[in-house]
Amino acid sequence: SAVISQKPSRDICQRGTSLTIQCQVDSQVTMMFWYRQQPGQSLTLIATANQGSEATYESGFVIDKFPISRPNLTFSTLTVSNMSPEDSSIYLCSFRTGPGELFFGEGSRLTVL
Amino acid sequence: GENVEQHPSTLSVQEGDSAVIKCTYSDSASNYFPWYKQELGKRPQLIIDIRSNVGEKKDQRIAVTLNKTAKHFSLHITETQPEDSAVYFCAASMTGGGADGLTFGKGTHLIIQP
Repeated sequence: SAVISQKPSRDICQRGTSLTIQCQVDSQVTMMFWYRQQPGQSLTLIATANQGSEATYESGFVIDKFPISRPNLTFSTLTVSNMSPEDSSIYLCSFRTGPGELFFGEGSRLTVL
Repeated sequence: GENVEQHPSTLSVQEGDSAVIKCTYSDSASNYFPWYKQELGKRPQLIIDIRSNVGEKKDQRIAVTLNKTAKHFSLHITETQPEDSAVYFCAASMTGGGADGLTFGKGTHLIIQP
């Protein structure tokens, strides 16, 4: 199966700053999905990123706060903008190769002070 | 959109006993139902999945059942072992060729008591 990698794996950030998370897949995938997992919580879909078009955001998430890029079929970035302590979470990129399994990256653990 | 409810939030069983985790979903168009296991500090990993044209699927000690009429599916783990201790998430989606993300339940923390 395809390999998916994320970076950074973790970071500590100051309130008001922004951080970009990168996600690389070793094969071409049509859709990539960004999830947030708050401490001890479930996985919440932030947005779906399709190459060549704007990302589709879920209710409660907006482009100004979580801008996403998808320049090609193997790469995507998620930026967490103007961070506050409430943004402290694990952010996971993921993809599906077809109508089945969702594969996750290792996650990026953000702590906002 | 889809809503997935999962119960219980915590489940403690004796090693060797069985564990059952239950989920319900709201969107009758959903037709793909996976279960993920997440160990502490690791990414979620698929352990078993089922599609709406199947009522039951088994893989060694793990089985999943689906009742589409009731919009209900369950994970069954038999002969539990210490390495089964983890958080388990159910999820649902329309397969749609992979264009849809998954909607996850809130998770069940499974504790295997020695």
